[in-house]
Amino acid sequence: AQTVTQSQPEMSVQEAETVTLSCTYDTSESNYYLFWYKQPPSRQMILVIRQEAYKQQNATENRFSVNFQKAAKSFSLKISDSQLGDTAMYFCAFMKPANAGKSTFGDGTTLTVKP
Amino acid sequence: DVKVTQSSRYLVKRTGEKVFLECVQDMDHENMFWYRQDPGLGLRLIYFSYDVKMKEKGDIPEGYSVSREKKERFSLILESASTNQTSMYLCASRYNYEQYFGPGTRLTVT
Repeated sequence: AQTVTQSQPEMSVQEAETVTLSCTYDTSESNYYLFWYKQPPSRQMILVIRQEAYKQQNATENRFSVNFQKAAKSFSLKISDSQLGDTAMYFCAFMKPANAGKSTFGDGTTLTVKP
Repeated sequence: DVKVTQSSRYLVKRTGEKVFLECVQDMDHENMFWYRQDPGLGLRLIYFSYDVKMKEKGDIPEGYSVSREKKERFSLILESASTNQTSMYLCASRYNYEQYFGPGTRLTVT
């Protein structure tokens, strides 16, 4: 079974600064996907960024980028130029393509962006 | 835009009641999921469905059942609600490796 670990329950960052959220996972699979989801306070969870394990290049979506280290089984999220709207709980998730895409989620990191 | 809706945002039920949580998606997705979200425990998968009338147990199915009679609707059933089922329940549908979540139902069992 896969496990996903987010070692930082809470983090804070000043507006406009950069913050990195950590995620490690354990799997024996070679083909899988990794995700970061964002859950703003009282709002729906949305996908932030996705990484395919077979791709060596790190995924980037505007101010959000990942550092994917496959051998180390590490998948961190970097948020550049943090904005107040980035305040949310962030979940790291692992998915195997087979079996209906069942995902395993980490416990989440609550990020607060301070003005 | 994909839309996933859940029948209630907040629900209060009594111990022993039968509870239905409804989830509807409007994008013809085959795969749908029910999770519960508890502080410090992340999202835990209760059940998922990969087609109409097809379902599989997730990691914590005890005390729950599901129904998927139509492709767009996936229902979670608590046969006899208990206080330890007080939680936030999230429904999701999946397409092309991305999950689309509903707003959640915060269920309190007293």
